[in-house]
Amino acid sequence: GAVVSQHPSWVICKSGTSVKIECRSLDFQATTMFWYRQFPKQSLMLMATSNEGSKATYEQGVEKDKFLINHASLTLSTLTVTSAHPEDSSFYICSARPSGGSRTDTQYFGPGTRLTVL
Amino acid sequence: KQEVTQIPAALSVPEGENLVLNCSFTDSAIYNLQWFRQDPGKGLTSLLLIQSSQREQTSGRLNASLDKSSGRSTLYIAASQPGDSATYLCAAPMGAGNMLTFGGGTRLMVKP
Repeated sequence: GAVVSQHPSWVICKSGTSVKIECRSLDFQATTMFWYRQFPKQSLMLMATSNEGSKATYEQGVEKDKFLINHASLTLSTLTVTSAHPEDSSFYICSARPSGGSRTDTQYFGPGTRLTVL
Repeated sequence: KQEVTQIPAALSVPEGENLVLNCSFTDSAIYNLQWFRQDPGKGLTSLLLIQSSQREQTSGRLNASLDKSSGRSTLYIAASQPGDSATYLCAAPMGAGNMLTFGGGTRLMVKP
């Protein structure tokens, strides 16, 4: 089956630093990847849609200059949280949608990355 | 290991019908249970979140129930509309901030 990995699984950083989270589709190509954020006791919220070779589309209320998304290849998208602050502490999940074939309507989710900003 | 199952995998109904989507989970020690909607090619849209201590949540025409003891949740959609056509996913984390385990989804089509 299709597998999506995220790295790191969890990260603790100091306030003011930047953190990069990677999302990889391991056995399929993904033109589109999605980034989600989930705060404690809240539902998963879509942050942005990442398209290979073009700019990401951000949801309302998500600062594009703070959450930098790069989808440089068909198997890798990165989310960089710039100048992280404690309020950015959250669980970040990516998903990838296969390019072509019969599975294009399906999204495969990564295991998530827990970010804690001290 | 948590396993989440959704039945049916696909459902087609005429407009105006009330319908129920089912979600079952194997480990009742869930932190909460969430229902999402997914339109083709789009990201997930959160519909309802039920905390483990709650029995149901309502939003507009949607009502979600949770029975931890039986490992089941249902999403009830009243007076269905063509705009409700989408894939509906349920998901449960084992703890705060833990990885979500998603069901396979139910693809709903509401015909005018």
